[in-house]
Amino acid sequence: DAKTTQPNSMESNEEEPVHLPCNHSTISGTDYIHWYRQLPSQGPEYVIHGLTSNVNNRMASLAIAEDRKSSTLILHRATLRDAAVYYCILRGPSGAGSYQLTFGKGTKLSVIP
Amino acid sequence: GAVVSQHPSRVICKSGTSVKIECRSLDFQATTMFWYRQFPKQSLMLMATSNEGSKATYEQGVEKDKFLINHASLTLSTLTVTSAHPEDSSFYICSARVSGIPQETQYFGPGTRLLVL
Repeated sequence: DAKTTQPNSMESNEEEPVHLPCNHSTISGTDYIHWYRQLPSQGPEYVIHGLTSNVNNRMASLAIAEDRKSSTLILHRATLRDAAVYYCILRGPSGAGSYQLTFGKGTKLSVIP
Repeated sequence: GAVVSQHPSRVICKSGTSVKIECRSLDFQATTMFWYRQFPKQSLMLMATSNEGSKATYEQGVEKDKFLINHASLTLSTLTVTSAHPEDSSFYICSARVSGIPQETQYFGPGTRLLVL
């Protein structure tokens, strides 16, 4: 599996935007970029995913670099409930049997009131 | 969104006993379920992939005779930790895949915290 690199931790002030970076320089042309987050003592939850174009949903936005070697998860307005570990994961295309998710260490986001 | 439940949420047992953890997809059918283990301050580690009606596929280093997985229906998978020991104490998390959707996401259960005394 192609590897991702994320900062160990980040801090944000409440109600400020947060940009969580992820480097994936060995990404293949068919790898999708998935983001999950894990709140304390809970199972992970899906946040967003994309292939080439930037993506928006109700939780966050995903900005993907033109060369796809990096991406940024954007939380537009951090709340205390966004404090979690955020995982950036690469996954192959569906149908290739690549259903597994390989979790790295992720970025622990702290939100300061 | 799809909901996955786990039962129990936490369990304490004596060394040498067996513990069964249930993972259910509540409002969808899950062709594939995954079992993860997470030790304190570490990331999730995939233990096994469970397909309905067939034997589970275990990751390297995971003992299949110790961690028994049964996926008898499209909504239920169970993980049984046999002859549990203190080193098996961990946070066990299941997830379910919704089939048929391109680049489908996985839906995770809330986790089961196991403490073996």
